[in-house]
Amino acid sequence: ETGVTQTPRHLVMGMTNKKSLKCEQHLGHNAMYWYKQSAKKPLELMFVYSLEERVENNSVPSRFSPECPNSSHLFLHLHTLQPEDSALYLCASSPEASGLTGELFFGEGSRLTVL
Amino acid sequence: AQKITQTQPGMFVQEKEAVTLDCTYDTSDPSYGLFWYKQPSSGEMIFLIYQGSYDQQNATEGRYSLNFQKARKSANLVISASQLGDSAMYFCAMRENRGNDYKLSFGAGTTVTVRA
Repeated sequence: ETGVTQTPRHLVMGMTNKKSLKCEQHLGHNAMYWYKQSAKKPLELMFVYSLEERVENNSVPSRFSPECPNSSHLFLHLHTLQPEDSALYLCASSPEASGLTGELFFGEGSRLTVL
Repeated sequence: AQKITQTQPGMFVQEKEAVTLDCTYDTSDPSYGLFWYKQPSSGEMIFLIYQGSYDQQNATEGRYSLNFQKARKSANLVISASQLGDSAMYFCAMRENRGNDYKLSFGAGTTVTVRA
């Protein structure tokens, strides 16, 4: 079992749909992250949670709503998305949210297509 | 301003040869960390190597080594003895020491294709 698991791996939705992405980490980490990866653009940090508390919201539109019910689970609720939101959404975790040396452990991503 | 610059969008390398991936960074902090990640077609980002700004030695991990030139703000990744499984996107990233700054800033990536 991989350390960070994301479901679904692929999602196609219309602009009026409501869906959720799920991330689960089995590493005992205290911090979890959502990143957006669009074609030909650097990864963009969306949200950071530390011990289930949101510590970073990187100017993300309100149609993306994160939820962290416990330190092992992270959700990204999607509502009224736009076609430009189509991207690979990567979840990651790290032992702590701050500190220079802690690398992030990523899941395989959820490929989202908005029609 | 872009914090991490990777100028090579794509590279080809012959199997068993070495390849160098360029990365330059921009920071005014004296304390920072540099990372390289590999992203195969499956999508998962795999951590490869880390270099701290105060580390005296260049980091090495198996076939991966980081050519750290602090004055030039350069952190190139060298992959020695390339294998077909090394074909992937490679990302350089930096974390700065700014209080509770949690951001890991990524470059745009370099696609490496290893030829048999």
